[in-house]
Amino acid sequence: DAKTTQPNSMESNEEEPVHLPCNHSTISGTDYIHWYRQLPSQGPEYVIHGLTSNVNNRMASLAIAEDRKSSTLILHRATLRDAAVYYCILTSYNTDKLIFGTGTRLQVFP
Amino acid sequence: DTGVSQDPRHKITKRGQNVTFRCDPISEHNRLYWYRQTLGQGPEFLTYFQNEAQLEKSRLLSDRFSAERPKGSFSTLEIQRTEQGDSAMYLCASSWDRESPLHFGNGTRLTVT
Repeated sequence: DAKTTQPNSMESNEEEPVHLPCNHSTISGTDYIHWYRQLPSQGPEYVIHGLTSNVNNRMASLAIAEDRKSSTLILHRATLRDAAVYYCILTSYNTDKLIFGTGTRLQVFP
Repeated sequence: DTGVSQDPRHKITKRGQNVTFRCDPISEHNRLYWYRQTLGQGPEFLTYFQNEAQLEKSRLLSDRFSAERPKGSFSTLEIQRTEQGDSAMYLCASSWDRESPLHFGNGTRLTVT
């Protein structure tokens, strides 16, 4: 599976938008981009995923670069409950499991 | 949908003892996964089941580890002769199929003293 690169940590203030970047320069044409997050003392939870087009759901938006070598998870208005580790993961058509990196630890300040 | 349930939440054991963890996936989810997570790291894949069949095992899963899913519903993960290096959070996840998102439980935290 292609690898992803994320910053170790990011900070945000409450009520502000947050843009979490992910680089995946070796992505192949059939790789999906997934985002999961892990709140303290909980298991990871699914956030969003996409292939080529930008995606929106109730939790977040996923912006995918035209060349697909990078993507950005957008939290439109950060809340204290969004403080978590965010994982960007690629899966290919024959992937049977998620391979997690170390993710980005997001801190949200009041 | 009550989510993925794991039991116990915490387990403290002495080195050399055997431990068993249980995972109840979301009803009718065909796939079940076990992961291990240590402090500051992302979850590491251990093994997964499609119904009752164990289809893949990580090299991390030494011969002291065994997992079962006897009827394609709940699963157990057993660690024999525990070592201090086994101390970690053990996470279970389930999904409907390969394309569906994984739903994780809140894990079992194992401490080996």
